[in-house]
Order: sequence, then structure tokens, then C-alpha cells
Amino acid sequence: EDKVVQSPLSLVVHEGDTVTLNCSYEVTNFRSLLWYKQEKKAPTFLFMLTSSGIEKKSGRLSSILDKKELSSILNITATQTGDSAIYLCAVESNTGNQFYFGTGTSLTVIP
Amino acid sequence: NAGVTQTPKFQVLKTGQSMTLQCAQDMNHNSMYWYRQDPGMGLRLIYYSASEGTTDKGEVPNGYNVSRLNKREFSLRLESAAPSQTSVYFCASDPRGGYEQYFGPGTRLTVT
Repeated sequence: EDKVVQSPLSLVVHEGDTVTLNCSYEVTNFRSLLWYKQEKKAPTFLFMLTSSGIEKKSGRLSSILDKKELSSILNITATQTGDSAIYLCAVESNTGNQFYFGTGTSLTVIP
Repeated sequence: NAGVTQTPKFQVLKTGQSMTLQCAQDMNHNSMYWYRQDPGMGLRLIYYSASEGTTDKGEVPNGYNVSRLNKREFSLRLESAAPSQTSVYFCASDPRGGYEQYFGPGTRLTVT
């Protein structure tokens, strides 16, 4: 059975802290792994990682794919209150364009 | 360029009633998807359409039907609503495999 597991389920940090969110997967015919941010509305895209692009960075956010360990991490440095959201990990399978989502990590950043 | 739009934003149904959720995208994307999101369950794929004229079941298709009306529009129908279908429904689209998905604003459905 294809599945994506995220940890921790929730996290509370203070502004300025660095956080690491984890995603592990068991998906047949892996094509890509994606990270999304969801703030009470629709998920918005952060990164896509593939076999040919295993590390991405944008400002304070960065992500790495470990294809050997079937996992990925999302790092956020110098956190701000605006980073408070649910972070979703999704894995795309080559089999029929299906996406499998984890349950998400809820991040709360306290001033 | 509106992206992905969904109607309605909110809906309350009684058990046994039927309704159709509408989704449209103006990005000329080939693939479209319907998800439901429940607390603690993440996003679960109901149905998807890899291209115009095709539809396939996802993880949780029971109780739902879909229609890919044309390249722009993908509708989700509940024939006989049940309280277990109370959820937030998201439509998404992408150009084709290997690209990120773009999500609509969601429809919050309550079945009493």
C-alpha cells in the first residue's frame, strides 16, 4: 500500500528558531516529492524534488530528498510568525499521475 | 488568469440529497484532481482525470462520481450524501505528470 508519513504531527517554536520537518514514503514508481504550505485555505506549492533535483532552497526554506532512505526534510531557519501553517508532503507516482499526501505537520511560531 | 476556481464555497446538505461541486481551470492544464481533506487525515484523492476524456479512481472514490466536461472543467457529484462525506473538498490541476499541482480555494461541505 502506498503511503506518505510526516513527523512530527505538530510543533511549537519561538521566532528565530530553526525547524526540521520530516517526510518518509513508500510509493510505487516514485516520480517526485513535493512540499506545500497550507494556511487555512488551499495548499500553496513550495518545492518539487526529483531524482535529478534532490536539493532546493528558497530564502529561509530548504529541502533535501534522500532517495536511498525514501525520505525528505524541509528546513526553515530563523522562523517567523508568518511561517505558522500546516506543511504537507506529497509524492507523485508514475502510475497514473497519482499523488499521495501525508497528514501534514502543524507548525506554530510564537513571537 | 483566475487559476483554479470552485463553486460553491460552502454547502449544507441533508442526508440523501445530491449535489455537484464545480471546478474550472484557465491554465490549459491537462490533468485535474478532486481531493477531500479531513482533520488528521491529510488530503485524500477521490478521482482524477489525466487528460480530457479520461477519469480514474483515487484512494476514496466510493459515493462519488466525476465528469470531465471539457479540458477546463471537472465536476464532482454526490448522488446520495452521507454524514461521512462532511469534509473540505479541493480541486487541483497540473499541466501533466512531473509538475506541481495548483489548488482551488476549496468547498466546505456539511451533511446533516
